[in-house]
Amino acid sequence: GQQLNQSPQSMFIQEGEDVSMNCTSSSIFNTWLWYKQDPGEGPVLLIALYKAGELTSNGRLTAQFGITRKDSFLNISASIPSDVGIYFCAGQLVGTYKYIFGTGTRLKVLA
Amino acid sequence: EAGVAQSPRYKIIEKRQSVAFWCNPISGHATLYWYQQILGQGPKLLIQFQNNGVVDDSQLPKDRFSAERLKGVDSTLKIQPAKLEDSAVYLCASSPSDEQFFGPGTRLTVL
Repeated sequence: GQQLNQSPQSMFIQEGEDVSMNCTSSSIFNTWLWYKQDPGEGPVLLIALYKAGELTSNGRLTAQFGITRKDSFLNISASIPSDVGIYFCAGQLVGTYKYIFGTGTRLKVLA
Repeated sequence: EAGVAQSPRYKIIEKRQSVAFWCNPISGHATLYWYQQILGQGPKLLIQFQNNGVVDDSQLPKDRFSAERLKGVDSTLKIQPAKLEDSAVYLCASSPSDEQFFGPGTRLTVL
């Protein structure tokens, strides 16, 4: 079945550092969504990407839709303690409304 | 705008018992999804509705899981009988088109 490889699995960084994570697949996607999930809560949508090569920002977050349509990355600049959580990518398969989720990147920020 | 509502937030049952979860999507969202999220993993799609019709239920264990979305609004997901491996968070999401918005989830523990 379709899979999304998300890396890194976890990150420990110092407050103020920049963070980068990515998702790759052998499948082609129409749309990429990036989510953050806090403990005990549902995922919260951070950024949506709709076409290959698109670069979109939301405050300190920047995400890009890979030109091959098989990958996407998320950058967080100048991390702060509230950035702690699990980040998921989700890709919408071509020709469907179905999303495949990555395995998540667990981010911990050391003050 | 009210978000996706789910209840209950937590449920503990014994194996072989039955359980039901309820979801009220964001008003006007035609598409509704149920996901299963096992600890440490990304959400896995169980079933997708477009209005009150099923679009994708290929990963729903139909021998024990069932879902319905009467009148194209609220939805219920039922497990009967539950197994130990059903312990997970069950997330409901709704979508107006491409973006998905999640509820807080129901954490199910099967003893």
